[in-house]
Amino acid sequence: AQSVAQPEDQVNVAEGNPLTVKCTYSVSGNPYLFWYVQYPNRGLQFLLKYITGDNLVKGSYGFEAEFNKSQTSFHLKKPSALVSDSALYFCAVRVNTGTASKLTFGTGTRLQVTL
Amino acid sequence: DGGITQSPKYLFRKEGQNVTLSCEQNLNHDAMYWYRQDPGQGLRLIYYSQIVNDFQKGDIAEGYSVSREKKESFPLTVTSAQKNPTAFYLCASSPVRGFTDTQYFGPGTRLTVL
Repeated sequence: AQSVAQPEDQVNVAEGNPLTVKCTYSVSGNPYLFWYVQYPNRGLQFLLKYITGDNLVKGSYGFEAEFNKSQTSFHLKKPSALVSDSALYFCAVRVNTGTASKLTFGTGTRLQVTL
Repeated sequence: DGGITQSPKYLFRKEGQNVTLSCEQNLNHDAMYWYRQDPGQGLRLIYYSQIVNDFQKGDIAEGYSVSREKKESFPLTVTSAQKNPTAFYLCASSPVRGFTDTQYFGPGTRLTVL
């Protein structure tokens, strides 16, 4: 089955330090990978996606993600964390179902940035 | 949250009652989706529609029904057959330009069954 895994339920980082939120995937064929962020009681906001090309993808709010085919990973990164980055982050992979395609989400990683 | 609206934001219903959640988009997107979010389980797909008057079951369609009579609207009915309906429900839409298109989400409806 095609899936993504987010191995950490929570990541804690001090403001100003670099942050990484991990995601690994398992798909047949070319992976189309996405990162979303969710603030409390809100919908998901799109951050970035990898389709093809450069392995380093830049997105919104200073976030970037590195696609690594050999490690089947798509980790989300930011050089300097802000307290306002504290939220729930979801990795997702596009899955072909024959006549259509759908997003399959990971279980989410809660990022806590402290002063 | 873009051009996708969901109403109401909070919804309470008594056990055994059907309830309909609204989702409207003004993005001219062809595809629309309904997800259910539970703590620690991420998002699970309930139903999706790629074109008016057509929709497909997702991974957890039992106890739910949808309609797609207009391009901009995709209401979800939670029926009394849904055993555990208390959850956060998210609607999304995408342009359907291919398999790489992005889904955009509404603000969600929190349903509580009393």
